[in-house]
Amino acid sequence: KAGVTQTPRYLIKTRGQQVTLSCSPISGHRSVSWYQQTPGQGLQFLFEYFSETQRNKGNFPGRFSGRQFSNSRSEMNVSTLELGDSALYLCASSPGTVAYEQYFGPGTRLTVT
Amino acid sequence: GNSVTQMEGPVTLSEEAFLTINCTYTATGYPSLFWYVQYPGEGLQLLLKATKADDKGSNKGFEATYRKETTSFHLEKGSVQVSDSAVYFCALMDMGRRALTFGSGTRLQVQP
Repeated sequence: KAGVTQTPRYLIKTRGQQVTLSCSPISGHRSVSWYQQTPGQGLQFLFEYFSETQRNKGNFPGRFSGRQFSNSRSEMNVSTLELGDSALYLCASSPGTVAYEQYFGPGTRLTVT
Repeated sequence: GNSVTQMEGPVTLSEEAFLTINCTYTATGYPSLFWYVQYPGEGLQLLLKATKADDKGSNKGFEATYRKETTSFHLEKGSVQVSDSAVYFCALMDMGRRALTFGSGTRLQVQP
């Protein structure tokens, strides 16, 4: 099976802009979660989607949002970018029922200047 | 809330040395426990898991046992290789939220 894919791999944006990141889960997986990784805060949970519905949300401001499509692909959006949003954004795929282990993609490295 | 504490790194070992990376957790209920590994420039790879007390997860020579009485999940390997050099993350899953809580990561450097 193909693994989790994320696009783009690298992105440079300017403060105030918005950005959309994409994630394609492992075939058959219905749950997609997003995490932010920074040197200062480590790995933090953003949100989880299952069957197009947000099931859980971490402690991030409303500028961070996401959605999931009927084919389980997911996007996350960050509006009004701040310098502190510079991070590696990781998407994780899971069957979502019974088995909950999460498999991660390579991440999108976002740099905000 | 949930939390995971890992030993500070970097851990520097010679090839074929024995590895232990300590991990303890705080959680309500009965979380599942995981070890992930991250190589430079890559995402996280699931290394092993344990879903209940006394379970032992193992993979690629790495092992960890879920110890409920000491709330620990220490990672061990009998003989490390240069290719094991990476950052290792201990994590727990809150089954209610289905969200992973990670430790701060431990960098392992294996010298030939």
